[in-house]
Amino acid sequence: AQRVTQPEKLLSVFKGAPVELKCNYSYSGSPELFWYVQYSRQRLQLLLRHISRESIKGFTADLNKGETSFHLKKPFAQEEDSAMYYCALLLKTSYDKVIFGPGTSLSVIP
Amino acid sequence: EPEVTQTPSHQVTQMGQEVILRCVPISNHLYFYWYRQILGQKVEFLVSFYNNEISEKSEIFDDQFSVERPDGSNFTLKIRSTKLEDSAMYFCASRQGWTGELFFGEGSRLTVL
Repeated sequence: AQRVTQPEKLLSVFKGAPVELKCNYSYSGSPELFWYVQYSRQRLQLLLRHISRESIKGFTADLNKGETSFHLKKPFAQEEDSAMYYCALLLKTSYDKVIFGPGTSLSVIP
Repeated sequence: EPEVTQTPSHQVTQMGQEVILRCVPISNHLYFYWYRQILGQKVEFLVSFYNNEISEKSEIFDDQFSVERPDGSNFTLKIRSTKLEDSAMYFCASRQGWTGELFFGEGSRLTVL
């Protein structure tokens, strides 16, 4: 079955500390994975996608097919990183459905 | 920058009433979606819409739900007879087609009393 899991519902770190938000997926096809972020009172927005291998706002994520993981990392957390983070998987069916993990709420303590 | 817009931002309704949530996707996008998020729970897929028809729907999307694109710009979600458990934030999203990136609206909060 296709599934995205994020084991941590809440994650608190101090400002300047490294952050890792975990994401694992289950999918028999070739995965295309994303991280979406939702800041307080704002819409869900794309943070980054694995195929572009980019770093956005200091965040990176590497797809590990062996471990079926796509963890989000940042070396030094900032207060403005506090938000809800969702890992998402594109299912390449005829119409490309995107499913979301349950989300991790990141709180960066000043 | 073009955005997905949703109305209303918040609707309160009585159980059993019909509700229509409206969305205006980004104009050159081809795929349209509705997602739901019950308070404290994850973002759940409801339905996808492509080429003027439903392309996929989840188990949640039963006969009480319907979608349409009446005029080529609006994309609506109708709940025929609301239940208490329909209370949630409903997100509309659209996608261009060349990438997997979804563009979301700000959501419509539905409260069923």
